[in-house]
Amino acid sequence: DTGVSQNPRHKITKRGQNVTFRCDPISEHNRLYWYRQTLGQGPEFLTYFQNEAQLEKSRLLSDRFSAERPKGSFSTLEIQRTEQGDSAMYLCASSGGASNQPQHFGDGTRLSIL
Amino acid sequence: GDSVTQMEGPVTLSEEAFLTINCTYTATGYPSLFWYVQYPGEGLQLLLKATKADDKGSNKGFEATYRKETTSFHLEKGSVQVSDSAVYFCALTAVSGGYNKLIFGAGTRLAVHP
Repeated sequence: DTGVSQNPRHKITKRGQNVTFRCDPISEHNRLYWYRQTLGQGPEFLTYFQNEAQLEKSRLLSDRFSAERPKGSFSTLEIQRTEQGDSAMYLCASSGGASNQPQHFGDGTRLSIL
Repeated sequence: GDSVTQMEGPVTLSEEAFLTINCTYTATGYPSLFWYVQYPGEGLQLLLKATKADDKGSNKGFEATYRKETTSFHLEKGSVQVSDSAVYFCALTAVSGGYNKLIFGAGTRLAVHP
């Protein structure tokens, strides 16, 4: 069990640039979640995949955000035309089997917008 | 909607002191309850869970009991160590469309001094 892997760990970019993050879930897990965590707060749900299908998107996920999970393996989260308010830690989690299995988190990607 | 409320931190204790971090929740249905821990620069690690009323979750000396009558899931440890210093998040699963997204409290920072 290699755990959930996220890349990069840190991303610093200028306002208006596009960024893409990658998440590699635990290999046998078919469920994948993205969360966003701002300083001093708990993580907030962004979106959920079951295999390659994106089944729910939070209202937090504006049109500038897009997530994919081709072939039901790794997932990418892209933010276009970044804004100051996008600065946060982006966390990926995966779980397998039944819907009540616990979610396992990666170490996150910290995004800083200059 | 579903929500989690945690006691505000930071909580500062001396080594070997008793720890309580309060957590209460509001939810429809019968959620599962979790405590996650986040060490500096890392993602969230599942500490313990309880899936139904009166269940007690326990791990690494930490315990929490699912109290439906008081809608609470307080975290306790009899004797804390310096290595327990971290941020602790209480969370519940909100069932939606056959999967469980996590709803987190704001987190409670624990600092343990020698």
